[in-house]
Amino acid sequence: DTGVSQNPRHKITKRGQNVTFRCDPISEHNRLYWYRQTLGQGPEFLTYFQNEAQLEKSRLLSDRFSAERPKGSFSTLEIQRTEQGDSAMYLCASSLATLTGGQFFGPGTRLTVL
Amino acid sequence: QQQVKQSPQSLIVQKGGISIINCAYENTAFDYFPWYQQFPGKGPALLIAIRPDVSEKKEGRFTISFNKSAKQFSLHIMDSQPGDSATYFCAARPSDNRKLIWGLGTSLAVNP
Repeated sequence: DTGVSQNPRHKITKRGQNVTFRCDPISEHNRLYWYRQTLGQGPEFLTYFQNEAQLEKSRLLSDRFSAERPKGSFSTLEIQRTEQGDSAMYLCASSLATLTGGQFFGPGTRLTVL
Repeated sequence: QQQVKQSPQSLIVQKGGISIINCAYENTAFDYFPWYQQFPGKGPALLIAIRPDVSEKKEGRFTISFNKSAKQFSLHIMDSQPGDSATYFCAARPSDNRKLIWGLGTSLAVNP
């Protein structure tokens, strides 16, 4: 499968715990995006990378969230001291850095904070 | 501030009919307009996309119509099938930024 992959697919955690998600983009894609989606809503932009550089981070993103893409390939999204309001689907997408480079999404990681 | 307005919120179509979903945008600096299809519990899947220098793009049963002067674009699904039942999102991308601005989605149900 050469699409975007995300792990884990589901994560249940207790409030206050830290969680980390991983995204493996399509291999030739140099841009990688993280989104969050809650039920009945569209994806909400969190951050994006071009290669290993984090180019933008949403102002809505609290300091508890951090993302890395150390070698310009896979990326991790960490949430520290999780809160119940963090429960959502976390989506990763990747694209080429071209005018018509569409964003291709992974299956998402469903986070439930108890 | 919602920069991409999508309608209707939900749509019911009979099998074989035409499904039409509309989006309107405000920012003239958008240069790329994709449509995504999302099934429950899955990530959005890129369905079809258009650039503003083209008025129409067709891929199989899916067609995007684009009206630059009216700042509107729409998705037409011809010969709608029950398997098309999903949530559809339109989006727009500013030319100076790579993040997508999303519509709120349309829940489509195609009755057999």
